[in-house]
Amino acid sequence: DQQVKQNSPSLSVQEGRISILNCDYTNSMFDYFLWYKKYPAEGPTFLISISSIKDKNEDGRFTVFLNKSAKHLSLHIVPSQPGDSAVYFCAAIGTNSGGSNYKLTFGKGTLLTVNP
Amino acid sequence: ETGVTQSPTHLIKTRGQQVTLRCSSQSGHNTVSWYQQALGQGPQFIFQYYREEENGRGNFPPRFSGLQFPNYSSELNVNALELDDSALYLCATTGGGFIDSPLHFGNGTRLTVT
Repeated sequence: DQQVKQNSPSLSVQEGRISILNCDYTNSMFDYFLWYKKYPAEGPTFLISISSIKDKNEDGRFTVFLNKSAKHLSLHIVPSQPGDSAVYFCAAIGTNSGGSNYKLTFGKGTLLTVNP
Repeated sequence: ETGVTQSPTHLIKTRGQQVTLRCSSQSGHNTVSWYQQALGQGPQFIFQYYREEENGRGNFPPRFSGLQFPNYSSELNVNALELDDSALYLCATTGGGFIDSPLHFGNGTRLTVT
């Protein structure tokens, strides 16, 4: 059973427009959420995170929104740039799940392509 | 530049063999986790080590084992390799205080089992 779901395998947008990547989760114990970006032949790199006590977190062009009642989060990238083209993973963790166990549960990822 | 180094970058093994993958931790990071990323999937948590002891494990059989050394570097060992073990294996480290120090991943080892 997939506890973190990214239902769109791919997304294509024009440079300068907004990219919206979506993520749904089923485990109500998750209380911290992260987005990672992955280029080919590289490991995932941390992008932005949000705690369940917030509904929005912003960092430059990147904003993450959390709708806890709907168990849904989204990553907005504005404006999108060709260098943003990568696979984006949504990940979740229950910080009270047991001490310092940093087990992240990942979605399958969404391939974002930003066209010049 | 993440500071997490994995070796080798690519590896081809035969079913039934054993393999050891290595990870050098980013400076000051005392916690290391290993993830398996199969083709078309997100990374899946294998286990985590803190101060040389395993302190968390995902849904992987005992033939997946690990070590963490006093310098915080780590090994992932897989015995009796199966075809389904073919995947990208990612090492990730953190210095603790997870909220302020998200996991930093290495570039991974691509394992192919034939």
